[in-house]
Amino acid sequence: GENVEQHPSTLSVQEGDSAVIKCTYSDSASNYFPWYKQELGKRPQLIIDIRSNVGEKKDQRIAVTLNKTAKHFSLHITETQPEDSAVYFCAASINYGQNFVFGPGTRLSVLP
Amino acid sequence: DAGVIQSPRHEVTEMGQEVTLRCKPISGHDYLFWYRQTMMRGLELLIYFNNNVPIDDSGMPEDRFSAKMPNASFSTLKIQPSEPRDSAVYFCASSPPGYGEIYNEQFFGPGTRLTVL
Repeated sequence: GENVEQHPSTLSVQEGDSAVIKCTYSDSASNYFPWYKQELGKRPQLIIDIRSNVGEKKDQRIAVTLNKTAKHFSLHITETQPEDSAVYFCAASINYGQNFVFGPGTRLSVLP
Repeated sequence: DAGVIQSPRHEVTEMGQEVTLRCKPISGHDYLFWYRQTMMRGLELLIYFNNNVPIDDSGMPEDRFSAKMPNASFSTLKIQPSEPRDSAVYFCASSPPGYGEIYNEQFFGPGTRLTVL
């Protein structure tokens, strides 16, 4: 089955700096890659996603890149703010989101 | 819409007791997912339903766990008997119908924090 790895497990950055979180997946049939943000004590919420036929997608300060050949995808957050502090989960799906395999998560801390 | 609703929000029980977690998906969503979240194992998919039918229950840890979806607006996850290692946050999520390459966001409920003593 699908296996998703995520690095780093924790990340601290200064406010205003960029943050990058990387994920790899094992199943070449995976075709949908969402990223979820989970604030402390809250539910996971989708922040951005990318399909296998797209190499990059941006939404304001957030971008995701996908390298299908290498089977890895990354989340980029620019101009980080304290409210970006949370746990970020990547996921992969082989059937367009009907079931996900989540990575273990990255705890991002944005220091003022 | 109120979003995905879960109850109870917190449950504390003693080992050996039966625990029932409840979920009401967003109206119109025909996929429903149950996840378990722990520090050690992260977010694990336990089971998911499509149109009230269980599609994949390979994530259910053992026979002590069972899930049902008697209708489109209600699902339960039952643990009997409960054990301390079942302590976790259990999330329910739902997503709209998907057709072909239409992918869909999963909307999570607030979760149920289960503590088994």
